[in-house]
Amino acid sequence: GNSVTQMEGPVTLSEEAFLTINCTYTATGYPSLFWYVQYPGEGLQLLLKATKADDKGSNKGFEATYRKETTSFHLEKGSVQVSDSAVYFCALSDPLSNDYKLSFGAGTTVTVRA
Amino acid sequence: ETGVTQTPRHLVMGMTNKKSLKCEQHLGHNAMYWYKQSAKKPLELMFVYSLEERVENNSVPSRFSPECPNSSHLFLHLHTLQPEDSALYLCASSPGTTSSYEQYFGPGTRLTVT
Repeated sequence: GNSVTQMEGPVTLSEEAFLTINCTYTATGYPSLFWYVQYPGEGLQLLLKATKADDKGSNKGFEATYRKETTSFHLEKGSVQVSDSAVYFCALSDPLSNDYKLSFGAGTTVTVRA
Repeated sequence: ETGVTQTPRHLVMGMTNKKSLKCEQHLGHNAMYWYKQSAKKPLELMFVYSLEERVENNSVPSRFSPECPNSSHLFLHLHTLQPEDSALYLCASSPGTTSSYEQYFGPGTRLTVT
């Protein structure tokens, strides 16, 4: 079946530090990959996505590259801000299984200190 | 602002009460979803509607009853809930139900069952 594994948190960083959140996946087909972010008290927002191998999604200084050879989609940001404190979810949808389902990772809580 | 609104934002109810959660999307999407987000657990997909027809019911207890009167509105009717049903209930929508469509989430309803 489809599954997403992301690094456990919580992650605590200082402002301007480099952030990496690892995400690996298992899928039966050729999935689309997503990163969602949930700020305190809010729902999930799509941060970025990639739909084929070697695609790089980017938004708000965050980047993630679809690596089919390592089945990974790690999220990176070069210089975090306090406003990046949130929970980050890696997700996939697989057209060869249930094509509308998003399989989510457990989420990684990131706290950025001033 | 994602174009998906949910009311109420917070709800406290006793186990014998009946209440309803409302979701409205202003994006012209054809698919709508209910998710449950509990502390320390992955997001759980509860129901999926496509063009007002239920296409997924993920073994959800009958005390949760969804209703989709049109493609812009989705309700979750609640009755005789249990304390373990306390969670954040998230509504989402997408243009359709194919894998390349990301989902847009509302801010959620924080439900507490006493």
